[in-house]
Amino acid sequence: QVQLQESGPGRVKPSETLSLTCTVTGGSIATYYWSWLRLSPGRGLEWIGYVYYGGYTKYNPSVERRVTMSTDTSNNQFSLTLSSVTAADTAVYFCARGAPTHPLLWTDWGRGTLVTVSS
Amino acid sequence: VVLTQSPATLSLSPGERATLSCRATTGLSNYLAWYQHKPGQAPRLIIYDPSNRATGVPARFSGSGSGTDYTLTISSLEPEDFAVYYCHQRGAWPPTFGGGTRIEI
Repeated sequence: QVQLQESGPGRVKPSETLSLTCTVTGGSIATYYWSWLRLSPGRGLEWIGYVYYGGYTKYNPSVERRVTMSTDTSNNQFSLTLSSVTAADTAVYFCARGAPTHPLLWTDWGRGTLVTVSS
Repeated sequence: VVLTQSPATLSLSPGERATLSCRATTGLSNYLAWYQHKPGQAPRLIIYDPSNRATGVPARFSGSGSGTDYTLTISSLEPEDFAVYYCHQRGAWPPTFGGGTRIEI
């Protein structure tokens, strides 16, 4: 069974860049669509975007100008960078795998990692 | 598309029936799913489109609805069902989630 694990700094300063990595085990990243989502008290659950192993990406318009996603097939990982962060970006960030039938239906998730934006 | 879930909190006992509502501001063509989330755990897909149970989900969970109104029903609550449930739509761009319904003991 595929497992996902988020990793990255737990604190980022305002105006800096948030960077997270999701490590996938039990399955190859070279298939399916891989998403990032976040959960915060103010914004609830929010889909950030997805990446396909070939490099194709699609982002939520709410963060599109600040976000970049990519895959690293040699390490079976995918990553998220979010620039110019503010307190509103404080959230638990999840990585997830899209279903074979639709990339926006998430069948496998990581447990999430809390990122706090604070100086 | 805004998804409004009600109630925000449901206080029930094991064995009771839970009925959760999700209303959308526009029709979703049945692309409505439900996720269960417990603190510190990975969210779990329960129901999709809008009455299909995900792999391994017990038969006490059922989904229904069409257009703008959808329902998740848990026929008889088990202790492990107490959690937050989110509805999610992918019938309109961008995909969005409801604010969640917490089922508490």
